[in-house]
Amino acid sequence: GAGVSQTPSNKVTEKGKYVELRCDPISGHTALYWYRQSLGQGPEFLIYFQGTGAADDSGLPNDRFFAVRPEGSVSTLKIQRTERGDSAVYLCASSELGTLGAEQYFGPGTRLTVT
Amino acid sequence: SQQGEEDPQALSIQEGENATMNCSYKTSINNLQWYRQNSGRGLVHLILIRSNEREKHSGRLRVTLDTSKKSSSLLITASRAADTASYFCATVFSSGSARQLTFGSGTQLTVLP
Repeated sequence: GAGVSQTPSNKVTEKGKYVELRCDPISGHTALYWYRQSLGQGPEFLIYFQGTGAADDSGLPNDRFFAVRPEGSVSTLKIQRTERGDSAVYLCASSELGTLGAEQYFGPGTRLTVT
Repeated sequence: SQQGEEDPQALSIQEGENATMNCSYKTSINNLQWYRQNSGRGLVHLILIRSNEREKHSGRLRVTLDTSKKSSSLLITASRAADTASYFCATVFSSGSARQLTFGSGTQLTVLP
């Protein structure tokens, strides 16, 4: 079946603009994760959904970042008033269950560039 | 913040040689996973080892875990040029509601043909 998909694959925006990044998880996966990866670094956790609710949003860097998953499948990461420091690859992952040992499957990421 | 360190940061070997990458972490874990990433994009899950396991094999991959030293190693045997990629270890905490992966900074492996 289809893996995790993310759109757009690349997004260039101007400083101060609003952007939305979309994640389509694997069908039936109840857990969904957002990570951010800066150049030369490992991914860093942003937020985790179990179903429709955000179970852990401790990784969101500030209140400009927000994510939703209204129907428990597709998720949108929203960034307001973008800053150049937000430039990174944003990765989405899903897992079948939100258990400790569940394998996470990653999408190809969205490369965000803020000019 | 990153959970731990990986070393070396970069490794260059000849095809056919073995590659060993090490990972250290800071907190008690439920499991540790190794991922591969090509060209800074999608991560591919390689292997998961649980905190009560000491060694695990998958094809040409061998992973060890030493919870007393909070460290793990990934061995790729008989490397191929196609193994060239960045390799990351990632941990899942052993308690609380956290389910996210906490990644190390990665090892860039180059296998020369």
